Amino acid sequence: QKEVEQDPGPLSVPEGAIVSLNCTYSNSAFQYFMWYRQYSRKGPELLMYTYSSGNKEDGRFTAQVDKSSKYISLFIRDSQPSDSATYLCAMSAILTGGGNKLTFGTGTQLKVEL
Amino acid sequence: NAGVTQTPKFQVLKTGQSMTLQCAQDMNHNSMYWYRQDPGMGLRLIYYSASEGTTDKGEVPNGYNVSRLNKREFSLRLESAAPSQTSVYFCASSEPKGMGSYNSPLHFGNGTRLTVT
Repeated sequence: QKEVEQDPGPLSVPEGAIVSLNCTYSNSAFQYFMWYRQYSRKGPELLMYTYSSGNKEDGRFTAQVDKSSKYISLFIRDSQPSDSATYLCAMSAILTGGGNKLTFGTGTQLKVEL
Repeated sequence: NAGVTQTPKFQVLKTGQSMTLQCAQDMNHNSMYWYRQDPGMGLRLIYYSASEGTTDKGEVPNGYNVSRLNKREFSLRLESAAPSQTSVYFCASSEPKGMGSYNSPLHFGNGTRLTVT
Protein backbone atom coordinates (compact mmCIF):
# COMPACT_ATOMS: atom_id res chain seq x y z
CA GLN A 1 0.00 0.00 0.00
CA LYS A 2 1.30 3.43 -0.94
CA GLU A 3 1.74 5.96 1.85
CA VAL A 4 -0.16 8.54 -0.21
CA GLU A 5 -3.07 7.68 -2.48
CA GLN A 6 -4.41 10.06 -5.11
CA ASP A 7 -7.00 9.44 -7.80
CA PRO A 8 -5.19 9.90 -11.13
CA GLY A 9 -8.27 11.08 -13.02
CA PRO A 10 -8.51 12.46 -15.61
CA LEU A 11 -11.13 14.79 -14.23
CA SER A 12 -13.03 16.92 -16.73
CA VAL A 13 -15.27 19.80 -15.60
CA PRO A 14 -17.01 22.76 -17.27
CA GLU A 15 -15.67 26.26 -16.77
CA GLY A 16 -16.99 27.80 -13.56
CA ALA A 17 -17.42 24.50 -11.74
CA ILE A 18 -16.15 23.81 -8.24
CA VAL A 19 -13.41 21.19 -8.32
CA SER A 20 -12.50 18.90 -5.45
CA LEU A 21 -9.17 17.08 -5.50
CA ASN A 22 -8.31 14.62 -2.75
CA CYS A 23 -5.52 12.58 -1.22
CA THR A 24 -5.53 10.02 1.55
CA TYR A 25 -2.50 8.95 3.52
CA SER A 26 -1.55 6.23 5.96
CA ASN A 27 1.51 7.68 7.76
CA SER A 28 0.43 9.44 10.96
CA ALA A 29 3.80 11.19 11.11
CA PHE A 30 2.95 13.47 8.18
CA GLN A 31 2.67 17.01 9.53
CA TYR A 32 3.06 19.33 6.56
CA PHE A 33 0.77 19.19 3.55
CA MET A 34 1.28 20.77 0.17
CA TRP A 35 -0.36 20.99 -3.22
CA TYR A 36 1.74 21.39 -6.33
CA ARG A 37 0.41 22.25 -9.80
CA GLN A 38 2.13 20.87 -12.88
CA TYR A 39 1.38 22.11 -16.37
CA SER A 40 2.15 19.86 -19.31
CA ARG A 41 5.86 19.64 -20.08
CA LYS A 42 6.73 21.76 -17.04
CA GLY A 43 8.01 21.18 -13.54
CA PRO A 44 5.66 21.23 -10.54
CA GLU A 45 5.14 24.55 -8.75
CA LEU A 46 3.93 25.03 -5.18
CA LEU A 47 0.30 26.10 -4.95
CA MET A 48 -0.68 25.73 -1.29
CA TYR A 49 1.10 24.82 1.95
CA THR A 50 -0.60 23.92 5.25
CA TYR A 51 0.50 22.63 8.60
CA SER A 52 -2.51 22.05 10.83
CA SER A 53 -5.95 20.57 10.41
CA GLY A 54 -8.54 22.95 9.04
CA ASN A 55 -8.90 25.15 6.01
CA LYS A 56 -6.53 27.58 4.31
CA GLU A 57 -7.78 29.87 1.59
CA ASP A 58 -5.86 31.67 -1.16
CA GLY A 59 -8.01 33.33 -3.78
CA ARG A 60 -10.03 30.68 -5.61
CA PHE A 61 -8.12 27.86 -3.90
CA THR A 62 -8.88 26.28 -0.53
CA ALA A 63 -6.76 23.57 1.05
CA GLN A 64 -8.38 21.40 3.69
CA VAL A 65 -6.64 18.99 6.05
CA ASP A 66 -8.36 16.41 8.25
CA LYS A 67 -5.64 14.65 10.23
CA SER A 68 -8.11 12.45 12.12
CA SER A 69 -9.28 10.94 8.83
CA LYS A 70 -5.86 11.22 7.14
CA TYR A 71 -7.47 13.07 4.27
CA ILE A 72 -6.56 16.28 2.48
CA SER A 73 -8.44 18.19 -0.20
CA LEU A 74 -7.92 21.05 -2.60
CA PHE A 75 -10.98 22.97 -3.74
CA ILE A 76 -10.93 25.23 -6.78
CA ARG A 77 -13.82 27.67 -7.10
CA ASP A 78 -14.92 29.20 -10.41
CA SER A 79 -12.56 26.93 -12.30
CA GLN A 80 -10.92 28.35 -15.42
CA PRO A 81 -9.37 26.69 -18.49
CA SER A 82 -6.02 27.97 -17.18
CA ASP A 83 -6.48 25.64 -14.18
CA SER A 84 -6.09 22.64 -16.50
CA ALA A 85 -3.04 20.85 -15.13
CA THR A 86 -1.98 17.93 -13.00
CA TYR A 87 -2.30 18.54 -9.25
CA LEU A 88 0.08 16.71 -6.94
CA CYS A 89 -0.38 16.44 -3.22
CA ALA A 90 2.77 16.20 -1.11
CA MET A 91 3.32 15.50 2.56
CA SER A 92 6.30 15.63 4.84
CA ALA A 93 7.25 14.03 8.14
CA ILE A 94 10.08 14.60 10.56
CA LEU A 95 12.18 11.45 10.86
CA THR A 96 13.11 10.10 14.28
CA GLY A 97 16.79 10.12 13.33
CA GLY A 98 16.62 13.69 12.15
CA GLY A 99 15.83 15.11 8.76
CA ASN A 100 12.58 15.05 6.89
CA LYS A 101 10.81 12.88 4.37
CA LEU A 102 8.68 14.32 1.57
CA THR A 103 6.23 12.01 -0.22
CA PHE A 104 4.27 12.93 -3.33
CA GLY A 105 0.97 11.58 -4.57
CA THR A 106 0.81 10.39 -8.17
CA GLY A 107 -1.16 13.44 -9.30
CA THR A 108 -4.69 14.10 -10.58
CA GLN A 109 -5.04 15.36 -14.14
CA LEU A 110 -7.66 18.13 -14.38
CA LYS A 111 -9.18 19.55 -17.55
CA VAL A 112 -11.48 22.58 -17.40
CA GLU A 113 -13.48 22.90 -20.58
CA LEU A 114 -15.09 26.00 -22.09
CA ASN B 1 15.09 35.25 -13.37
CA ALA B 2 15.81 31.71 -14.60
CA GLY B 3 15.21 29.74 -11.37
CA VAL B 4 16.24 26.11 -11.95
CA THR B 5 17.69 25.27 -15.36
CA GLN B 6 18.07 21.71 -16.61
CA THR B 7 19.96 20.51 -19.67
CA PRO B 8 19.36 18.75 -21.94
CA LYS B 9 15.56 18.89 -22.36
CA PHE B 10 15.44 15.60 -24.28
CA GLN B 11 17.83 12.68 -24.67
CA VAL B 12 17.73 9.25 -26.24
CA LEU B 13 20.32 6.71 -25.13
CA LYS B 14 21.07 3.15 -26.04
CA THR B 15 21.34 0.57 -23.28
CA GLY B 16 24.79 0.75 -21.69
CA GLN B 17 25.57 4.32 -22.70
CA SER B 18 26.38 6.91 -20.09
CA MET B 19 25.34 10.52 -19.72
CA THR B 20 25.20 13.38 -17.25
CA LEU B 21 22.13 15.51 -16.61
CA GLN B 22 23.00 19.06 -15.64
CA CYS B 23 21.15 21.33 -13.22
CA ALA B 24 21.85 24.87 -12.09
CA GLN B 25 19.90 27.24 -9.84
CA ASP B 26 20.31 30.97 -9.45
CA MET B 27 18.28 31.45 -6.24
CA ASN B 28 21.23 30.92 -3.86
CA HIS B 29 19.48 27.88 -2.36
CA ASN B 30 21.44 25.50 -0.18
CA SER B 31 19.52 22.29 -0.91
CA MET B 32 19.16 20.56 -4.28
CA TYR B 33 17.40 17.38 -5.35
CA TRP B 34 17.00 14.96 -8.23
CA TYR B 35 13.60 13.31 -8.78
CA ARG B 36 12.26 10.99 -11.43
CA GLN B 37 8.61 11.03 -12.48
CA ASP B 38 6.95 7.95 -13.92
CA PRO B 39 3.28 7.31 -14.75
CA GLY B 40 1.46 5.83 -11.77
CA MET B 41 4.53 6.23 -9.54
CA GLY B 42 4.60 9.94 -8.86
CA LEU B 43 7.78 11.81 -8.07
CA ARG B 44 10.48 9.72 -6.44
CA LEU B 45 13.65 11.11 -4.90
CA ILE B 46 16.88 9.77 -6.39
CA TYR B 47 19.53 11.80 -4.56
CA TYR B 48 19.69 15.06 -2.68
CA SER B 49 22.27 17.51 -1.44
CA ALA B 50 21.31 19.31 1.76
CA SER B 51 24.20 21.74 1.35
CA GLU B 52 27.29 22.25 -0.76
CA GLY B 53 29.72 19.40 -0.17
CA THR B 54 27.14 16.83 0.95
CA THR B 55 25.05 14.30 -0.95
CA ASP B 56 22.70 11.56 0.26
CA LYS B 57 20.70 8.75 -1.27
CA GLY B 58 16.97 9.10 -1.70
CA GLU B 59 14.34 6.50 -2.40
CA VAL B 60 15.65 5.13 -5.74
CA PRO B 61 19.43 5.74 -6.00
CA ASN B 62 20.52 2.52 -7.74
CA GLY B 63 22.10 3.13 -11.14
CA TYR B 64 22.78 6.81 -10.49
CA ASN B 65 25.56 9.00 -9.13
CA VAL B 66 25.54 12.69 -8.31
CA SER B 67 27.99 15.54 -7.93
CA ARG B 68 27.37 18.81 -6.11
CA LEU B 69 29.83 20.82 -8.12
CA ASN B 70 29.27 24.07 -6.20
CA LYS B 71 26.35 25.81 -4.53
CA ARG B 72 24.62 26.44 -7.88
CA GLU B 73 25.13 23.14 -9.71
CA PHE B 74 24.05 19.56 -9.04
CA SER B 75 24.55 16.92 -11.73
CA LEU B 76 23.10 13.41 -12.10
CA ARG B 77 25.07 10.71 -13.90
CA LEU B 78 23.86 7.48 -15.42
CA GLU B 79 26.95 5.28 -15.82
CA SER B 80 25.31 2.47 -17.80
CA ALA B 81 21.79 3.36 -18.88
CA ALA B 82 19.02 0.75 -18.73
CA PRO B 83 15.49 0.82 -20.22
CA SER B 84 14.12 1.00 -16.64
CA GLN B 85 15.71 4.45 -16.41
CA THR B 86 13.41 5.82 -19.11
CA SER B 87 11.68 8.64 -17.27
CA VAL B 88 11.32 12.37 -16.82
CA TYR B 89 14.00 13.71 -14.50
CA PHE B 90 13.43 16.82 -12.44
CA CYS B 91 15.96 18.85 -10.53
CA ALA B 92 14.72 20.99 -7.65
CA SER B 93 16.13 23.35 -5.07
CA SER B 94 14.95 24.74 -1.76
CA GLU B 95 16.00 27.02 1.05
CA PRO B 96 15.60 25.47 4.50
CA LYS B 97 13.11 27.34 6.68
CA GLY B 98 13.42 26.35 10.29
CA MET B 99 12.11 22.80 10.13
CA GLY B 100 14.53 21.64 7.47
CA SER B 101 14.74 21.47 3.74
CA TYR B 102 11.98 18.96 3.19
CA ASN B 103 9.46 21.37 4.60
CA SER B 104 10.54 24.20 2.37
CA PRO B 105 8.87 24.74 -1.00
CA LEU B 106 10.67 22.99 -3.78
CA HIS B 107 11.46 24.97 -6.93
CA PHE B 108 11.56 22.64 -9.90
CA GLY B 109 13.17 22.85 -13.31
CA ASN B 110 11.22 21.85 -16.40
CA GLY B 111 12.68 18.38 -16.62
CA THR B 112 14.79 16.20 -18.88
CA ARG B 113 12.88 13.59 -20.87
CA LEU B 114 15.12 10.54 -21.17
CA THR B 115 14.44 7.48 -23.29
CA VAL B 116 16.70 4.43 -23.07
CA THR B 117 16.28 1.93 -25.91
